[in-house]
Amino acid sequence: DQQVKQNSPSLSVQEGRISILNCDYTNSMFDYFLWYKKYPAEGPTFLISISSIKDKNEDGRFTVFLNKSAKHLSLHIVPSQPGDSAVYFCAASAGGGKIIFGKGTRLHILP
Amino acid sequence: GAVVSQHPSWVICKSGTSVKIECRSLDFQATTMFWYRQFPKQSLMLMATSNEGSKATYEQGVEKDKFLINHASLTLSTLTVTSAHPEDSSFYICSASLTEDSPLHFGNGTRLTVT
Repeated sequence: DQQVKQNSPSLSVQEGRISILNCDYTNSMFDYFLWYKKYPAEGPTFLISISSIKDKNEDGRFTVFLNKSAKHLSLHIVPSQPGDSAVYFCAASAGGGKIIFGKGTRLHILP
Repeated sequence: GAVVSQHPSWVICKSGTSVKIECRSLDFQATTMFWYRQFPKQSLMLMATSNEGSKATYEQGVEKDKFLINHASLTLSTLTVTSAHPEDSSFYICSASLTEDSPLHFGNGTRLTVT
């Protein structure tokens, strides 16, 4: 039973355009959501997070939107750059430091 | 920023042997560290929560006698895969955070191959 779902295994976006990565969750107890970026043979690195009391958080080119009623969040990257090509993991936490990860979406930025 | 170091980055061992993986927080003290496992094209699965000075808390379905976790100090947690079998071949990653409310920082992972 997947509590955090990333239904798109891969996504290709033209350089300079907006990349939108989607994530759905089922557990209404989740109150903190995170996005991690992972390059091959490396551990995930923290990108951006959002608390359930907010519906938007922005950090430079990265914006995360949270729709609690739909149990959906998305990560927007604009403008997309070649270095953004990586696997992006959506993650959620209900407290206590434990987080549940989605399967990830591989983002390809096309020249 | 906070850094978590994991060693070794890859290891090949024979079936039946044991392998130890180290996870260190380099510039902060971590009372809690987490161990994950990732199969190809799968998400990171939490295996256990490692608590300094006490027993680890294992997730359902994870054999505690097979995956021994020792958190002997505030900067070091170890995962030992005992009597490894080919099905234990996987990518193991540890993580730690400064506080319970701050984001996790991950090690670079250990690719274990059991032949």
